[in-house]
Amino acid sequence: DAKTTQPDSMESTEGETVHLPCSHATISGNEYIYWYRQVPLQGPEYVTHGLQQNTTNSMAFLAIASDRKSSTLILPHVSLRDAAVYHCILRVASSSFSKLVFGQGTSLSVVP
Amino acid sequence: DPKIIQKPKYLVAVTGSEKILICEQYLGHNAMYWYRQSAKKPLEFMFSYSYQKLMDNQTASSRFQPQSSKKNHLDLQITALKPDDSATYFCASSQLGGFYAEQFFGPGTRLTVL
Repeated sequence: DAKTTQPDSMESTEGETVHLPCSHATISGNEYIYWYRQVPLQGPEYVTHGLQQNTTNSMAFLAIASDRKSSTLILPHVSLRDAAVYHCILRVASSSFSKLVFGQGTSLSVVP
Repeated sequence: DPKIIQKPKYLVAVTGSEKILICEQYLGHNAMYWYRQSAKKPLEFMFSYSYQKLMDNQTASSRFQPQSSKKNHLDLQITALKPDDSATYFCASSQLGGFYAEQFFGPGTRLTVL
């Protein structure tokens, strides 16, 4: 799986919209972009995923660049509960049981 | 109700001993995984099982042995424990058959080896 690059940390204030960037310049055509988040002392939690089109769900909006070399996870109106480490991960579509390769991710802190 | 149960939550062991970490999932999934997270390090994939068969093993040491007695169980036996084995061990599961197959993680077992 191709490598991703994320900032080590970001800070936000409650109620703001947060943009978490991820660079994946060497992404392959069959790789999906997955986002997971992990709160301290808990297991990772799936946030969203996408291939080419922007996607949205109850947790976040995923904006994918037209060349797919970068993506941005957008968290609207963050709360203190959104403070976590956010991981951008690439996975090959055909191997649905494949491992997730976690990096250091972006540690998002949210202040009142 | 918790969908993935890991037992125990905390575990303290002495060097050289053997322990078994328990994982049960009630999501009806047919694939299960083990990951390890040492202090201040990213999660590291260890094993994946599908229909109770080993699919991928990224653990170099044979001291780590997964055991699947039932479709929804994947325990992890660790022998000859070392202090470096101290970590939080996460079990996960997913449903095969589709491209998207998100993995669901359990709460983890925090192992400390003295």
